[in-house]
Amino acid sequence: GENVEQHPSTLSVQEGDSAVIKCTYSDSASNYFPWYKQELGKRPQLIIDIRSNVGEKKDQRIAVTLNKTAKHFSLHITETQPEDSAVYFCAARAGKSTFGDGTTLTVKP
Amino acid sequence: ETGVTQTPRHLVMGMTNKKSLKCEQHLGHNAMYWYKQSAKKPLELMFVYNFKEQTENNSVPSRFSPECPNSSHLFLHLHTLQPEDSALYLCASSQPGGSRTDTQYFGPGTRLTVL
Repeated sequence: GENVEQHPSTLSVQEGDSAVIKCTYSDSASNYFPWYKQELGKRPQLIIDIRSNVGEKKDQRIAVTLNKTAKHFSLHITETQPEDSAVYFCAARAGKSTFGDGTTLTVKP
Repeated sequence: ETGVTQTPRHLVMGMTNKKSLKCEQHLGHNAMYWYKQSAKKPLELMFVYNFKEQTENNSVPSRFSPECPNSSHLFLHLHTLQPEDSALYLCASSQPGGSRTDTQYFGPGTRLTVL
């Protein structure tokens, strides 16, 4: 089955800096890669996703890149703000979604 | 925020109790999921239902018993639980084959404490 590894497990950045979270996956059949954000005490919510036929996707300060050859995809957040502080989960879908273990991002004002 | 609802939001039960968690989705989806979220494993898939049929059971102990009477409702029946079962139980739904296939919409969760 699919195996998804997510790094780092915790990330602390200064407000205004960029943050990068990386995930690797094992199943080359995976074709859909969503990212979820979970704020403290709230439910996970989709923030951006990418399909295997696209290399990069951007939505304002958030971007996701996909390297199918290396089987890794990354979340990039630019100009971070304190409200970006949350746990971020990546997932890879090959029939069903497998989630990474999450990254706790802290943005210091 | 009201697309997927869960009740109760908090539950405290003893190890000999029997209780049920309820999930309801108002999104017209055909797939529903139960996840366990704890410090040990941030998002652990338990069960998957597609069109009311269970398609996945991730080696979950039999003290957890799911039920899906229709595509909009999902239950998790609990009996003789252990303290280590204390966690946040999240329900999610998705629309297989849609433009955002397998994008999962989560409920707010039920915080379960087993004494």
